[in-house]
Amino acid sequence: QQQVKQSPQSLIVQKGGIPIINCAYENTAFDYFPWYQQFPGKGPALLIAIRPDVSEKKEGRFTISFNKSAKQFSLHIMDSQPGDSATYFCAASDHYGQNFVFGPGTRLSVLP
Amino acid sequence: EAQVTQNPRYLITVTGKKLTVTCSQNMNHEYMSWYRQDPGLGLRQIYYSMNVEVTDKGDVPEGYKVSRKEKRNFPLILESPSPNQTSLYFCATRGGYSNQPQHFGDGTRLSIL
Repeated sequence: QQQVKQSPQSLIVQKGGIPIINCAYENTAFDYFPWYQQFPGKGPALLIAIRPDVSEKKEGRFTISFNKSAKQFSLHIMDSQPGDSATYFCAASDHYGQNFVFGPGTRLSVLP
Repeated sequence: EAQVTQNPRYLITVTGKKLTVTCSQNMNHEYMSWYRQDPGLGLRQIYYSMNVEVTDKGDVPEGYKVSRKEKRNFPLILESPSPNQTSLYFCATRGGYSNQPQHFGDGTRLSIL
């Protein structure tokens, strides 16, 4: 119940493409769904987050789509750039943040 | 500048030799946690602390200890390290409830021979 599944494991797109990363969860107590971006040699950093009372959230070129009934959410990166090449983690947390679970990560490469 | 500082950044040691990885934050946050990152498994929570003197197990606590005697520090202790604890470790801190971002340190790479 604590697991967050994430796919694909790796993704290669051309510059300007729209990579999509998908996540799914089981625990209905989760009510906060962030995405973290990690560059080599650095810790993860928050990219964008959503709560289940909305179905979509945009911040710049990054969009989260959320499907509460299916218990799935996804990250879309519009007009992807080589600088977006990183590992992306979805995560889920309950209201008080005591249970915070990460997906296994997606390594994204954006080719110039 | 908000900072989470881990030390050491790299350590190679041998089985059974006690070690401590320190973590310090300057954001006055109550919540701190430790994760280990392994290929294909993402980040798994080892221990977390909601406040001083309050700690709880995460998903993979076996072989680890923590303490939280001060708000800013949250050391991770490996009393008798074993090779399966070779990993990349991250400390994180967060303010308030779950909808606050976690701030991560830059990681500690431990190799246990």
